[in-house]
This record gives sequence, structure tokens and C-alpha cells, in this order.
Amino acid sequence: NAGVTQTPKFQVLKTGQSMTLQCAQDMNHEYMSWYRQDPGMGLRLIHYSVGAGITDQGEVPNGYNVSRSTTEDFPLRLLSAAPSQTSVYFCASSLRTSGYNEQFFGPGTRLTVL
Amino acid sequence: AQKVTQAQTEISVVEKEDVTLDCVYETRDTTYYLFWYKQPPSGELVFLIRRNSFDEQNEISGRYSWNFQKSTSSFNFTITASQVVDSAVYFCALKEGNAGGTSYGKLTFGQGTILTVHP
Repeated sequence: NAGVTQTPKFQVLKTGQSMTLQCAQDMNHEYMSWYRQDPGMGLRLIHYSVGAGITDQGEVPNGYNVSRSTTEDFPLRLLSAAPSQTSVYFCASSLRTSGYNEQFFGPGTRLTVL
Repeated sequence: AQKVTQAQTEISVVEKEDVTLDCVYETRDTTYYLFWYKQPPSGELVFLIRRNSFDEQNEISGRYSWNFQKSTSSFNFTITASQVVDSAVYFCALKEGNAGGTSYGKLTFGQGTILTVHP
């Protein structure tokens, strides 16, 4: 098992550019989510999904889009990057039968928007 | 709404000192789960412990121990005889129970405490 993988590890964008952060898991987890980590603010939930075709907003969804066409993949899209989106992004997954209590985190993507 | 507060932004100790990281939480749920994660300088999140709201027993794992007190809504983490390798950011997190079917895996994190252990 590769667990939760994220690509790329690092990315630099210019304001207004678009990009997709990839997240994949090979554990057949129903639940997947995206967090952003900013200094002094901990991790905050952006979007989450409880299964293929089902997504919902978290605490800080503005500026981000998600979709879940397969159980394995949960990409995060930035349509028009802004400097305020400079952050470290973590993807996580968990299994419904665990009560979603065992979270597996990816290694993170460090994004800088100039 | 749920909330987690880690009031200590940064802590600096000398190796072999004991150090306690505080975590205070707020939730209206009677069923909830508390977590501690470690984030070393390499950046990944390392799971340390999960506790459910019905289990107030303290836990010890090697040099790590956790004190869960529902009466004060606290879940503090103590490192005994700290080592340089303990230098990291530590996060406390809360997940509400899924009785209403809407909490799923949503975690609320504290702000994090930066621990620096000097040799």
C-alpha cells in the first residue's frame, strides 16, 4: 500500500494561474478531505468527500474546487491562484467502518503564489 | 461549534527536561475524539494518539503521556526527559462523534505548539 499520495510536493504559481493538486489513496477509503496549514492557524478543512460523486465544503472553501469521480482520487483545483492561497496543503482519508476515526494524511504539498 | 485551543505558541526546553503541551477543547457533543499529531521539520503529520470521550484513563507510551480531563475540557500531552528529536510542531485535534451523520472525518485542529529542545 502506498497510503495517501500527493503531487506535486512543491509548486510555485503566479497570481491568476490555475493548477490542480493531486491526491490519491489505495486503501479504498470512502472519506477524503483537504486541509490547508498556515502558521499560527493549525490545519483548516477546505473540502471533503464521503464517496465518489459526493463532495461538500469545509471551513475555508473559497477559491477551491473539488470533484470525486473515483474512490481513489480527490483533486483540489485552484482556478485563479491568489497570494492568500500560499500554504501547505494536506490530503487525508479514512474508512467509514472505522467511524472515520483513523485518519491517514498525505505528505503535503507546499504551494507558493507570487 | 467545536474549537481547540493550544495557548502555548512556542516552548523551548533543554534536553532531559519534562515538558507539557496544553490543549483545551470545546464541543457540544457528548461523543467525541481527541487526537495529537506531531509534525517534525520534514513536514509530514505523525499520528500520536486518539482518545474517545468515554475513556478518561491517562495513557503512557514510553516518554509520552496524556492527561484527559473532561471536567476541564483538556487533553494535555507530556514528554518526559525530552530529546532533541522531539523538536517539532505538535497539534491537538478534535473530531465530533458521527451520531448526526454529518461529522464524518472532519477534524478541528488547534493552532499548534512549536517545541524546540536544545542539546
